[in-house]
Amino acid sequence: GQQVMQIPQYQHVQEGEDFTTYCNSSTTLSNIQWYKQRPGGHPVFLIQLVKSGEVKKQKRLTFQFGEAKKNSSLHITATQTTDVGTYFCAAEAAGNKLTFGGGTRVLVKP
Amino acid sequence: DAGVTQSPTHLIKTRGQQVTLRCSPKSGHDTVSWYQQALGQGPQFIFQYYEEEERQRGNFPDRFSGHQFPNYSSELNVNALLLGDSALYLCASSFGSGRGYQPQHFGDGTRLSIL
Repeated sequence: GQQVMQIPQYQHVQEGEDFTTYCNSSTTLSNIQWYKQRPGGHPVFLIQLVKSGEVKKQKRLTFQFGEAKKNSSLHITATQTTDVGTYFCAAEAAGNKLTFGGGTRVLVKP
Repeated sequence: DAGVTQSPTHLIKTRGQQVTLRCSPKSGHDTVSWYQQALGQGPQFIFQYYEEEERQRGNFPDRFSGHQFPNYSSELNVNALLLGDSALYLCASSFGSGRGYQPQHFGDGTRLSIL
């Protein structure tokens, strides 16, 4: 079945620094979504990517969909304490269910 | 504009019992999906309901069943509870199941503990 892997599993970052988290699928995807879950909260939708090579930006967050539509990345610049949480990618292959990755847990050192 | 609401927020059961969890979707949404999230893991897809029918199902046994009502609200039923069923159960709503997976709007979840 479809597998979605996220790396790294944990990301400790100094406040003000940049970092990138990656999402890789074993199959070609029709779309990929990113969610953020704060500690004790529920996942909140951030963005959806559909087109090969698509790049979308939300303030300090940049999302990219790979050319082969098998991977995606989330890059955060100038990390703030409000960025703490777990970032999940969720991938859909044609006709398949939405599969979430294991998440990247982000901790910010002030 | 009410978001996704789930009840109860917490529940404690013992092995072998049965449980029913409830979900009301966000206003304007017609599709409800259920997920199981174990501690430290990503949400695992259980099933999706659209037009009162189960449209897709994840790798969960038949002990997990559901229902969608005409007002789009939904229930998740789990029979013969096992210790491994302890998790956060998340309901998510979206609009338009026939157009692939639209962005999921999650409720706060029901924390189920099995003793």
